[in-house]
Amino acid sequence: SQQGEEDPQALSIQEGENATMNCSYKTSINNLQWYRQNSGRGLVHLILIRSNEREKHSGRLRVTLDTSKKSSSLLITASRAADTASYFCATTPPNQGAQKLVFGQGTRLTINP
Amino acid sequence: SQTIHQWPATLVQPVGSPLSLECTVEGTSNPNLYWYRQAAGRGLQLLFYSVGIGQISSEVPQNLSASRPQDRQFILSSKKLLLSDSGFYLCAWSDRFRGDTEAFFGQGTRLTVV
Repeated sequence: SQQGEEDPQALSIQEGENATMNCSYKTSINNLQWYRQNSGRGLVHLILIRSNEREKHSGRLRVTLDTSKKSSSLLITASRAADTASYFCATTPPNQGAQKLVFGQGTRLTINP
Repeated sequence: SQTIHQWPATLVQPVGSPLSLECTVEGTSNPNLYWYRQAAGRGLQLLFYSVGIGQISSEVPQNLSASRPQDRQFILSSKKLLLSDSGFYLCAWSDRFRGDTEAFFGQGTRLTVV
Protein backbone atom coordinates (compact mmCIF):
# COMPACT_ATOMS: atom_id res chain seq x y z
CA SER A 1 0.00 0.00 0.00
CA GLN A 2 1.11 3.58 -0.51
CA GLN A 3 2.85 5.20 2.41
CA GLY A 4 2.86 8.81 1.32
CA GLU A 5 -0.06 10.80 0.05
CA GLU A 6 0.51 14.10 -1.69
CA ASP A 7 -1.85 17.01 -1.61
CA PRO A 8 -3.05 18.56 -3.84
CA GLN A 9 -3.21 16.06 -6.68
CA ALA A 10 -2.83 18.88 -9.17
CA LEU A 11 -1.66 22.47 -8.85
CA SER A 12 -1.60 25.18 -11.49
CA ILE A 13 0.03 28.54 -10.80
CA GLN A 14 1.54 31.49 -12.64
CA GLU A 15 5.24 31.75 -13.27
CA GLY A 16 6.96 33.57 -10.45
CA GLU A 17 4.53 32.44 -7.77
CA ASN A 18 5.44 29.98 -5.05
CA ALA A 19 4.21 26.39 -5.18
CA THR A 20 3.54 24.37 -2.05
CA MET A 21 2.91 20.65 -2.04
CA ASN A 22 2.17 18.51 0.98
CA CYS A 23 2.81 14.90 1.83
CA SER A 24 1.35 12.81 4.63
CA TYR A 25 2.53 9.38 5.66
CA LYS A 26 1.35 6.65 7.96
CA THR A 27 4.22 4.98 9.79
CA SER A 28 7.45 6.12 11.41
CA ILE A 29 10.26 6.87 9.00
CA ASN A 30 14.02 7.13 8.74
CA ASN A 31 13.85 9.89 6.17
CA LEU A 32 11.55 11.49 3.66
CA GLN A 33 12.55 12.33 0.13
CA TRP A 34 11.09 14.39 -2.67
CA TYR A 35 11.42 13.47 -6.32
CA ARG A 36 10.50 15.13 -9.58
CA GLN A 37 9.28 13.41 -12.73
CA ASN A 38 9.00 15.02 -16.10
CA SER A 39 6.32 13.47 -18.27
CA GLY A 40 7.25 10.00 -19.43
CA ARG A 41 10.66 10.01 -17.80
CA GLY A 42 12.36 8.54 -14.78
CA LEU A 43 12.34 10.20 -11.39
CA VAL A 44 15.04 12.58 -10.25
CA HIS A 45 15.91 13.04 -6.60
CA LEU A 46 15.46 16.57 -5.27
CA ILE A 47 16.05 16.57 -1.55
CA LEU A 48 16.19 14.27 1.46
CA ILE A 49 15.24 15.23 5.00
CA ARG A 50 16.06 13.01 7.94
CA SER A 51 13.58 12.22 10.67
CA ASN A 52 15.51 14.37 13.17
CA GLU A 53 15.49 17.42 10.87
CA ARG A 54 12.69 19.95 10.65
CA GLU A 55 13.64 22.03 7.65
CA LYS A 56 16.03 21.85 4.74
CA HIS A 57 16.86 24.12 1.84
CA SER A 58 18.31 23.49 -1.59
CA GLY A 59 18.32 26.39 -4.03
CA ARG A 60 14.68 27.39 -4.59
CA LEU A 61 13.45 24.34 -2.70
CA ARG A 62 12.44 24.31 0.93
CA VAL A 63 11.29 21.15 2.66
CA THR A 64 9.77 20.88 6.11
CA LEU A 65 9.07 17.78 8.14
CA ASP A 66 6.72 17.41 11.08
CA THR A 67 7.07 13.91 12.46
CA SER A 68 4.39 14.50 15.09
CA LYS A 69 1.87 15.12 12.31
CA LYS A 70 3.54 12.68 9.93
CA SER A 71 3.63 15.30 7.24
CA SER A 72 6.06 17.16 4.99
CA SER A 73 5.82 20.08 2.63
CA LEU A 74 7.80 21.05 -0.44
CA LEU A 75 7.94 24.72 -1.33
CA ILE A 76 9.26 25.86 -4.69
CA THR A 77 9.86 29.59 -4.69
CA ALA A 78 9.79 31.88 -7.72
CA SER A 79 8.46 29.12 -9.95
CA ARG A 80 9.52 28.78 -13.56
CA ALA A 81 7.87 27.12 -16.53
CA ALA A 82 10.60 24.47 -16.38
CA ASP A 83 9.33 23.44 -12.93
CA THR A 84 6.29 21.91 -14.60
CA ALA A 85 6.42 18.24 -13.60
CA SER A 86 5.01 15.73 -11.15
CA TYR A 87 6.42 15.74 -7.65
CA PHE A 88 6.47 12.73 -5.36
CA CYS A 89 7.35 12.18 -1.77
CA ALA A 90 8.88 8.89 -0.70
CA THR A 91 9.53 7.47 2.73
CA THR A 92 11.89 4.89 4.09
CA PRO A 93 10.36 2.95 6.97
CA PRO A 94 12.81 2.14 9.77
CA ASN A 95 14.37 -1.27 10.10
CA GLN A 96 14.10 -1.90 6.39
CA GLY A 97 17.37 -3.44 5.38
CA ALA A 98 16.73 -2.75 1.73
CA GLN A 99 15.98 0.88 2.44
CA LYS A 100 12.65 0.29 0.83
CA LEU A 101 11.31 3.45 -0.74
CA VAL A 102 7.55 3.83 -0.81
CA PHE A 103 6.09 6.59 -2.96
CA GLY A 104 2.94 8.63 -2.80
CA GLN A 105 0.56 9.38 -5.66
CA GLY A 106 2.23 12.65 -6.57
CA THR A 107 1.27 16.23 -7.27
CA ARG A 108 1.10 17.36 -10.87
CA LEU A 109 2.43 20.91 -10.98
CA THR A 110 1.79 23.17 -13.96
CA ILE A 111 3.53 26.54 -14.19
CA ASN A 112 1.79 28.88 -16.59
CA PRO A 113 4.02 31.42 -18.36
CA SER B 1 30.18 7.75 -11.98
CA GLN B 2 27.20 5.49 -11.57
CA THR B 3 24.69 4.94 -14.35
CA ILE B 4 21.59 2.85 -14.74
CA HIS B 5 20.41 1.42 -18.02
CA GLN B 6 16.92 0.18 -18.64
CA TRP B 7 15.58 -1.18 -21.90
CA PRO B 8 13.63 -1.19 -24.05
CA ALA B 9 12.11 2.28 -23.81
CA THR B 10 8.79 1.17 -25.27
CA LEU B 11 7.27 -2.22 -25.83
CA VAL B 12 4.00 -3.43 -27.31
CA GLN B 13 3.20 -7.03 -26.54
CA PRO B 14 0.12 -9.19 -27.17
CA VAL B 15 -1.83 -10.70 -24.32
CA GLY B 16 -0.41 -14.05 -23.34
CA SER B 17 3.09 -13.35 -24.58
CA PRO B 18 6.15 -13.46 -22.30
CA LEU B 19 7.99 -10.43 -20.99
CA SER B 20 11.56 -9.68 -20.09
CA LEU B 21 12.72 -6.22 -19.05
CA GLU B 22 16.33 -5.73 -18.14
CA CYS B 23 18.05 -3.22 -15.94
CA THR B 24 21.77 -2.89 -15.33
CA VAL B 25 23.75 -0.60 -13.09
CA GLU B 26 27.32 0.53 -13.66
CA GLY B 27 29.84 2.16 -11.39
CA THR B 28 28.72 0.72 -8.08
CA SER B 29 28.74 -2.61 -6.26
CA ASN B 30 26.13 -4.39 -4.13
CA PRO B 31 23.34 -1.95 -4.88
CA ASN B 32 19.79 -2.28 -3.67
CA LEU B 33 17.67 -2.75 -6.79
CA TYR B 34 14.02 -1.98 -7.33
CA TRP B 35 11.25 -2.44 -9.88
CA TYR B 36 8.33 -0.02 -9.78
CA ARG B 37 5.22 0.25 -11.92
CA GLN B 38 3.38 3.46 -12.60
CA ALA B 39 -0.12 3.59 -14.00
CA ALA B 40 -0.97 6.62 -16.13
CA GLY B 41 -1.11 9.75 -14.01
CA ARG B 42 -0.55 7.83 -10.81
CA GLY B 43 2.14 7.19 -8.26
CA LEU B 44 4.74 4.47 -8.17
CA GLN B 45 3.92 1.02 -6.93
CA LEU B 46 6.86 -0.98 -5.60
CA LEU B 47 6.83 -4.40 -7.24
CA PHE B 48 10.12 -6.01 -6.22
CA TYR B 49 13.30 -5.11 -4.43
CA SER B 50 16.58 -6.95 -3.99
CA VAL B 51 19.49 -6.62 -1.59
CA GLY B 52 21.73 -9.16 -3.30
CA ILE B 53 22.13 -11.80 -5.96
CA GLY B 54 19.22 -14.21 -5.90
CA GLN B 55 17.49 -12.29 -3.10
CA ILE B 56 14.12 -10.96 -4.25
CA SER B 57 11.33 -9.52 -2.14
CA SER B 58 7.90 -9.23 -3.71
CA GLU B 59 5.64 -6.47 -2.57
CA VAL B 60 2.38 -7.35 -4.25
CA PRO B 61 0.96 -10.58 -5.66
CA GLN B 62 0.82 -10.35 -9.40
CA ASN B 63 1.57 -11.86 -12.75
CA LEU B 64 5.19 -10.77 -12.66
CA SER B 65 8.46 -12.11 -11.27
CA ALA B 66 11.92 -10.69 -10.82
CA SER B 67 15.40 -12.15 -10.84
CA ARG B 68 18.87 -10.90 -10.04
CA PRO B 69 21.33 -13.22 -11.75
CA GLN B 70 24.26 -10.84 -11.29
CA ASP B 71 25.07 -8.17 -8.75
CA ARG B 72 24.16 -5.28 -11.02
CA GLN B 73 21.48 -6.89 -13.18
CA PHE B 74 17.79 -6.94 -12.38
CA ILE B 75 15.24 -8.57 -14.65
CA LEU B 76 11.46 -8.29 -14.62
CA SER B 77 9.61 -11.16 -16.27
CA SER B 78 6.23 -12.59 -17.01
CA LYS B 79 5.30 -15.90 -18.58
CA LYS B 80 1.97 -14.65 -19.91
CA LEU B 81 1.11 -10.97 -20.04
CA LEU B 82 -2.30 -9.65 -19.06
CA LEU B 83 -3.93 -6.43 -20.25
CA SER B 84 -3.60 -5.14 -16.69
CA ASP B 85 0.19 -5.44 -16.92
CA SER B 86 0.28 -2.35 -19.13
CA GLY B 87 2.08 0.55 -17.52
CA PHE B 88 5.32 2.42 -17.09
CA TYR B 89 8.00 0.28 -15.47
CA LEU B 90 10.88 1.89 -13.67
CA CYS B 91 14.06 0.34 -12.39
CA ALA B 92 16.04 2.03 -9.63
CA TRP B 93 19.06 1.47 -7.44
CA SER B 94 20.28 2.81 -4.13
CA ASP B 95 23.49 2.51 -2.16
CA ARG B 96 23.10 -0.27 0.35
CA PHE B 97 25.86 0.98 2.62
CA ARG B 98 24.67 4.53 3.12
CA GLY B 99 22.10 5.00 5.85
CA ASP B 100 20.27 7.85 4.16
CA THR B 101 20.49 7.72 0.43
CA GLU B 102 18.41 8.55 -2.56
CA ALA B 103 17.33 6.21 -5.32
CA PHE B 104 18.51 6.62 -8.87
CA PHE B 105 16.05 5.79 -11.60
CA GLY B 106 16.30 4.53 -15.13
CA GLN B 107 14.34 6.19 -17.89
CA GLY B 108 11.57 3.62 -17.76
CA THR B 109 9.89 1.20 -20.11
CA ARG B 110 6.40 1.92 -21.36
CA LEU B 111 4.68 -1.42 -21.79
CA THR B 112 1.43 -1.70 -23.69
CA VAL B 113 -0.28 -5.06 -23.70
CA VAL B 114 -2.74 -5.40 -26.58
